Amino acid sequence: QKEVEQDPGPLSVPEGAIVSLNCTYSNSAFQYFMWYRQYSRKGPELLMYTYSSGNKEDGRFTAQVDKSSKYISLFIRDSQPSDSATYLCAMITSGTYKYIFGTGTRLKVLA
Amino acid sequence: NAGVTQTPKFQVLKTGQSMTLQCAQDMNHEYMSWYRQDPGMGLRLIHYSVGAGITDQGEVPNGYNVSRSTTEDFPLRLLSAAPSQTSVYFCASSHGQGPIAGELFFGEGSRLTVL
Repeated sequence: QKEVEQDPGPLSVPEGAIVSLNCTYSNSAFQYFMWYRQYSRKGPELLMYTYSSGNKEDGRFTAQVDKSSKYISLFIRDSQPSDSATYLCAMITSGTYKYIFGTGTRLKVLA
Repeated sequence: NAGVTQTPKFQVLKTGQSMTLQCAQDMNHEYMSWYRQDPGMGLRLIHYSVGAGITDQGEVPNGYNVSRSTTEDFPLRLLSAAPSQTSVYFCASSHGQGPIAGELFFGEGSRLTVL
């Protein structure tokens, strides 16, 4: 069993839809949770970062962490064609440098 | 500001050949790392370094060597290329301060094909 599971998609939604992307994990020692966005043939870039259970908002993006269920989510409101990319969750334990990434979910927002 | 620069962007090798993927960053980051990205496998950590002269293994280190002689550079060496090493390789760096490594800044990737 992988430490981090993520549905690979692809996920196609119409412009303006609310998108929900999810990851589950098995290692309860993970304390820091991130979402990276990767456009085609580019390197990933950090989108959201959180270290506690609950919600964190940044514009149209909301990151949600439920440590009791070992489940994290990224919500995108009013999705745009420019949001079409692969979204990777990542997590790490305190005091280490070994990030563990999910496989990524490919999202396509249709105009 | 160039950020993280990887060279070459594309490379084709024959089985058994050796080569070095170059990675340089100009952000004075202490932490640097190499990942490979394969379909259905996500990003997997190969090797990482927390400063000049200090390296450690990640999840999939076999067949790869690294060294860190300067803060700026972190080359990845393939000793004897195998078709299983066909992948997209990403170098990433962060300031590495505090309890975690911090935000990772990625290069644009090096696409390697081993025939």
